[in-house]
Amino acid sequence: TQLLEQSPQFLSIQEGENLTVYCNSSSVFSSLQWYRQEPGEGPVLLVTVVTGGEVKKLKRLTFQFGDARKDSSLHITAAQPGDTGLYLCAYSGAGSYQLTFGKGTKLSVIP
Amino acid sequence: NAGVMQNPRHLVRRRGQEARLRCSPMKGHSHVYWYRQLPEEGLKFMVYLQKENIIDESGMPKERFSAEFPKEGPSILRIQQVVRGDSAAYFCASSSSRGETDTQYFGPGTRLTVL
Repeated sequence: TQLLEQSPQFLSIQEGENLTVYCNSSSVFSSLQWYRQEPGEGPVLLVTVVTGGEVKKLKRLTFQFGDARKDSSLHITAAQPGDTGLYLCAYSGAGSYQLTFGKGTKLSVIP
Repeated sequence: NAGVMQNPRHLVRRRGQEARLRCSPMKGHSHVYWYRQLPEEGLKFMVYLQKENIIDESGMPKERFSAEFPKEGPSILRIQQVVRGDSAAYFCASSSSRGETDTQYFGPGTRLTVL
């Protein structure tokens, strides 16, 4: 099993600030997924990145897949309290249905 | 709401009791996955089921845990003789087909507390 390391583990910022969280590994992935999990709820898929160097935007969220497909980042512009939650990256191995998750970054956006 | 449904949302058991967690997949989905989220840990895969079949239970503890997905009704994750270490959030996900490219949709989870 390939290990996904997410950083920072915790992040508390003021509303309106920008932030970046990271998902790193020493292994190469065919794809990576980003999820957001709100308190008391299950994870919700935000995006899947597939191609090295790929950048995907989802409103104020920008996802990037590293050129070598070993890492990914999530940048949030002008964070809002509604962005509060646990951000998880995950992968499924080739031909596999098992999702392997990182431990996540717990984001708190203070109004 | 046609999403994945889980019940109960919260379950409290004393050590030695049994816990039954239920999951109804999204309409039209026949593939169900169970994951466990321990405090300070990431989500861990437990088991993958299709109707009436266990496809992969490699993530399930060898003892006390079992899962089923009958022809009719929800998928059940059963934990016998619970211990405090079983306290966790248990999530069910479903997909319309198998495969790494098929999105798994997660339910809201059941939070099990063992006293």
